[in-house]
Amino acid sequence: DSGVTQTPKHLITATGQRVTLRCSPRSGDLSVYWYQQSLDQGLQFLIQYYNGEERAKGNILERFSAQQFPDLHSELNLSSLELGDSALYFCASSVEGTSGRIGFGEQFFGPGTRLTVL
Amino acid sequence: GESVGLHLPTLSVQEGDNSIINCAYSNSASDYFIWYKQESGKGPQFIIDIRSNMDKRQGQRVTVLLNKTVKHLSLQIAATQPGDSAVYFCAEKISNFGNEKLTFGTGTRLTIIP
Repeated sequence: DSGVTQTPKHLITATGQRVTLRCSPRSGDLSVYWYQQSLDQGLQFLIQYYNGEERAKGNILERFSAQQFPDLHSELNLSSLELGDSALYFCASSVEGTSGRIGFGEQFFGPGTRLTVL
Repeated sequence: GESVGLHLPTLSVQEGDNSIINCAYSNSASDYFIWYKQESGKGPQFIIDIRSNMDKRQGQRVTVLLNKTVKHLSLQIAATQPGDSAVYFCAEKISNFGNEKLTFGTGTRLTIIP
């Protein structure tokens, strides 16, 4: 158990819909990262938040957005869902992330949310 | 464009032997590299990292080697155990004008033969 929790574990929805994935980082971790893992694209970094602020952006679509709340939990919002959005979505957290240079450091991954778009 | 690739998609090793998983990267500006292990049905697990100013870093039974000249990264696992069976990913971090991006390889499936 990494200490990172994600809900829900499974999500089945239809094209065009919007869903929200939730992540609670390990206690004390200020950085939260979101990843997408699909069979054809592999593991892709989407976005990172540090202490409520966006710090790094990867291959995140404009239909997707994320935020980190004052209690440090994070939500990933996926809208106008397409069949190709079906994937595992992982959240990870780490301690590292100061006001200076950000290093990814050791990240702890949650169990993931499996999204199926029908 | 930039890419992180793995030489071998699958690798089978006899239990107790050492294994080496290789990874090639193409961006010379990458300054940080990570190896992850992902077991079936679980999220990736951090194994070891190395910064570009280093050539070698050792952990418990694992060693990462970085050859910047040929843009090559390897993960050595000593005295492999059944629990080492998993998919292993390498990842590189590129910093570009304050924006940092982590790019993952496609993964190598390591199978330990009892």
